[in-house]
Amino acid sequence: EAGVVQSPRYKIIEKKQPVAFWCNPISGHNTLYWYLQNLGQGPELLIRYENEEAVDDSQLPKDRFSAERLKGVDSTLKIQPAELGDSAVYLCASRVGGNYNEQFFGPGTRLTVL
Amino acid sequence: SQQGEEDPQALSIQEGENATMNCSYKTSINNLQWYRQNSGRGLVHLILIRSNEREKHSGRLRVTLDTSKKSSSLLITASRAADTASYFCATSSAGANNLFFGTGTRLTVIP
Repeated sequence: EAGVVQSPRYKIIEKKQPVAFWCNPISGHNTLYWYLQNLGQGPELLIRYENEEAVDDSQLPKDRFSAERLKGVDSTLKIQPAELGDSAVYLCASRVGGNYNEQFFGPGTRLTVL
Repeated sequence: SQQGEEDPQALSIQEGENATMNCSYKTSINNLQWYRQNSGRGLVHLILIRSNEREKHSGRLRVTLDTSKKSSSLLITASRAADTASYFCATSSAGANNLFFGTGTRLTVIP
């Protein structure tokens, strides 16, 4: 079974440029998460999708960040414009429904904003 | 803000020794999970313990949970060089599908 796929793995951009990250969750996983992980820290939730609906985006900086999950499968996270402080690893995770199920993480996209 | 705090922040041991990591959290939970992250990789789920459980084993892993103290510990027995990674605890509250991660413990196992 294929795991969570993310692309690109690395991205280097100039500040004020736009950037987009793509995630393909494990087949059949209805719930999809985007996390931000700063160096030396644990992941912090940005947004959670249940199928195509964003059910928790309270931690997403909506002035510059946006996300979508068309058809409830793949998802894209966008930053426009990027700032120096956005440099981090962006992780995507997915899980099946239920209270006691683990999350499966992709390898992440390491973003560097110059 | 992050829910949990791991202790110690970093741990270095010799191969074959046991490694113990602790996690403290702030609010009531439904379950607590431990994840491992190798450098430059995503997180991998290790073990889940429910709030009504006190101890759980999986291979060389032993997890305990004390809800009265809002704390958990992860014990890795007979450590191997391949266990070198960062370890995170993550908590989930009742009725919620989100995980809140701690700050992690960086484990180095010296061959």
